[in-house]
Amino acid sequence: GAVVSQHPSRVICKSGTSVKIECRSLDFQATTMFWYRQFPKQSLMLMATSNEGSKATYEQGVEKDKFLINHASLTLSTLTVTSAHPEDSSFYICSAPLVGQGGSYGYTFGSGTRLTVV
Amino acid sequence: GNSVTQMEGPVTLSEEAFLTINCTYTATGYPSLFWYVQYPGEGLQLLLKATKADDKGSNKGFEATYRKETTSFHLEKGSVQVSDSAVYFCALSDPTAGNTGKLIFGQGTTLQVKP
Repeated sequence: GAVVSQHPSRVICKSGTSVKIECRSLDFQATTMFWYRQFPKQSLMLMATSNEGSKATYEQGVEKDKFLINHASLTLSTLTVTSAHPEDSSFYICSAPLVGQGGSYGYTFGSGTRLTVV
Repeated sequence: GNSVTQMEGPVTLSEEAFLTINCTYTATGYPSLFWYVQYPGEGLQLLLKATKADDKGSNKGFEATYRKETTSFHLEKGSVQVSDSAVYFCALSDPTAGNTGKLIFGQGTTLQVKP
């Protein structure tokens, strides 16, 4: 089935550095990718929607300059957390909608990235 | 706006007990409804879905029926196992956004099954 590969699964970085998270669609073309953030024991909050070849759409309250999203190809979307701080520590998950000839038939999720900023 | 509300957890059950996790939604139009499961340290896996009223989604012994009249999509399982311990998320797809609409999640319900 359709798989999104997300890397890295875990990353620890120093405060002030930047971290890039990649999501690749392995056997389908992902024209859209959703990026979620999940705090401990909480739900997934949509951060932004990336579309191949155009600017990402950010949800209200999400800093565009801090969370840079690039969707340069139909198989790769990246999220870069710039100048990371401890409060950015979280679980980040990407998701791609699956669309066939009959319309939408679901979503596939990456396995998530646990970011810890020290 | 569109939203999903789940019963608060944690839900603690003994093995072989009956499980119900309530989920209600608010949406304009006709969303698709989903249940996702998240095991510790992992991403989300689709458990089941329903795309129209009165549809019943089922998988691995879990079931949920799309009830438009009560705007509900409660998750049930007749006999839970320890391996079912996880966090369960109810979600709907934004009906106004077409085929590639974003998912809106409930807050998640933690299920703990004790042997």
